[in-house]
Amino acid sequence: EVQLVESGGGLVQPGGSLRLSCAASGFSFSNSWMHWVRQAPGKGLVWVSRIHGDGSSIAYADSVKGRFTISRDNAKNMLYLQMSPLRAEDTAVYYCAAWSSGWLWGRGALVTVSS
Amino acid sequence: DIQMTQSPSSLSASVGDRVTITCRASQGISNYLAWFQQKPGKAPKSLIYAASNLQSGVPSKFSGSGSGTDFTLTISSLQPEDFATYYCQQYNSHPLTFGGGTKVEIK
Repeated sequence: EVQLVESGGGLVQPGGSLRLSCAASGFSFSNSWMHWVRQAPGKGLVWVSRIHGDGSSIAYADSVKGRFTISRDNAKNMLYLQMSPLRAEDTAVYYCAAWSSGWLWGRGALVTVSS
Repeated sequence: DIQMTQSPSSLSASVGDRVTITCRASQGISNYLAWFQQKPGKAPKSLIYAASNLQSGVPSKFSGSGSGTDFTLTISSLQPEDFATYYCQQYNSHPLTFGGGTKVEIK
């Protein structure tokens, strides 16, 4: 079955850190660009970061540049997003997404940044 | 960045209605356009990719068309399970960008 499953979300204080994970299965993970997309409460979808299949090309939205780090482990079919320092405006559901004969989406991980 | 503009931002329709949502790109994106459906508290669900290709398992009442800068999503006969928010997305160039969404509500 083709699927993406995020984990690692939670409640964290401003200035804190969190690492999201995304487990991929059912498609050629190592040949796929992988993305993180977030959705703040009641808002639309916003792209956050992307990484090439072999990790050679990485990009970030300006709002997270210098604070978030995307990475992947192709041996484990895993995608990661290290987030630090977190701000209140980073509160959102974070989705991993991939292109594989159409767009694949995970079910999301909620990150709440609050004191 | 390419700006994606959806219209309308919301609409009210009845079961059985034909519904059309439009999406305009600020520059040409060929056919690198996808449509997603999202229900409250759920992840986006892929409906269409490459402007007009139906994602596997998506019913044929959904259809997409367009190329360049102007695109449409049509639902041929609205059913209760179709009331949701719909988003377009361009993947012609980075960064990926999304339309603001169209909320389809029951009249």
